[in-house]
Amino acid sequence: DTAVSQTPKYLVTQMGNDKSIKCEQNLGHDTMYWYKQDSKKFLKIMFSYNNKELIINETVPNRFSPKSPDKAHLNLHINSLELGDSAVYFCASSQLNSGGYGYTFGSGTRLTVV
Amino acid sequence: RKEVEQDPGPFNVPEGATVAFNCTYSNSASQSFFWYRQDCRKEPKLLMSVYSSGNEDGRFTAQLNRASQYISLLIRDSKLSDSATYLCVVRMNTGFQKLVFGTGTRLLVSP
Repeated sequence: DTAVSQTPKYLVTQMGNDKSIKCEQNLGHDTMYWYKQDSKKFLKIMFSYNNKELIINETVPNRFSPKSPDKAHLNLHINSLELGDSAVYFCASSQLNSGGYGYTFGSGTRLTVV
Repeated sequence: RKEVEQDPGPFNVPEGATVAFNCTYSNSASQSFFWYRQDCRKEPKLLMSVYSSGNEDGRFTAQLNRASQYISLLIRDSKLSDSATYLCVVRMNTGFQKLVFGTGTRLLVSP
């Protein structure tokens, strides 16, 4: 039973489209994250939610909108996709203040914008 | 300056070799330090935490030098299965937990 699951695993779409990525964790963690890993393999945090409340919002274009319906789910909606959005998006979860020990990543969603 | 800097490599070593990776971080208030491992096209996974006194886990030894803001990872007796990217990770001293990742050092162990 996968601890942090993301769907879809692969997403190929045209510029200008709107797409969503879903993430679910069954670890009972209270905090979830979205990270983006670009072509240079740099892994950068985008958002974090704790118990459905947004706690980290890095400098990310407004076209990216996270939504957390409950603490086990964190979805990412992207409007008007651009070529530069092509990357691997990782969802992760942890128990807040666990110090990083409890970070569990999903297997990633490889987004390609053409 | 990047918050966490690593030599991207790749480090090409033969099986059985000892290899060391270094990492520097810019925020002196950083609280916690880790090494993660990422295999090709896979998610990052925690390899080990890094403690001020240094710590060892089998063939892996991690060291932290807070004065120099420097972290290291030593791998002894390299195995083919050690081939991966090793990410230096720092937990920032912010109100909420936030891990900052280095760009990673790629290791290739050959027969």
